[in-house]
Amino acid sequence: AQSVTQLDSQVPVFEEAPVELRCNYSSSVSVYLFWYVQYPNQGLQLLLKYLSGSTLVKGINGFEAEFNKSQTSFHLRKPSVHISDTAEYFCAVSGGGATNKLIFGTGTLLAVQP
Amino acid sequence: GAVVSQHPSWVICKSGTSVKIECRSLDFQATTMFWYRQFPKQSLMLMATSNEGSKATYEQGVEKDKFLINHASLTLSTLTVTSAHPEDSSFYICSFSTRGEGYGYTFGSGTRLTVV
Repeated sequence: AQSVTQLDSQVPVFEEAPVELRCNYSSSVSVYLFWYVQYPNQGLQLLLKYLSGSTLVKGINGFEAEFNKSQTSFHLRKPSVHISDTAEYFCAVSGGGATNKLIFGTGTLLAVQP
Repeated sequence: GAVVSQHPSWVICKSGTSVKIECRSLDFQATTMFWYRQFPKQSLMLMATSNEGSKATYEQGVEKDKFLINHASLTLSTLTVTSAHPEDSSFYICSFSTRGEGYGYTFGSGTRLTVV
């Protein structure tokens, strides 16, 4: 079974500063990893995903993440955040296959301050 | 890209009544759909996996008689909350997975259920 840990429930950061949101996973099989963003009272939007290949994954809105198998991590980064990036961010893991469940971490609230 | 339409976006119902939430894949035939619930300021908890033409698989602790899932076609899955109570008030989100190079999960916009 897979699981995901997001250690930071909230990350405050000033506008235009860099940010890293941490995600660690555990799995006994190969994994697919995802980062989603959720704005209040809305569904989820995919930021990026790692399926295979290059460990550095670039996503939308200037976000990127690096898959580190030895550290079982998939941290999300952005070099310069905007006020509009304020939202809840979820890391998720799947074992692959169409019927495999997508398991979410507890989420990290990114709070960008002016 | 894959699009999922979820309705209604919000609903208020009286305690004891039933509520049906629909989830449609607009441009993809979804063989597997997933239903999640999300309490305020919490993560998404998987409730069940819905397979087209067969019974849904429920996660531990989810009452199958209370949360009825029907996935009768490749484009439609429904979640019915039966005899709703205030503690069922939550945000419900559907999702389906896609295969191949575009492997991933697409989510509906969610349904805010309030039971009064």
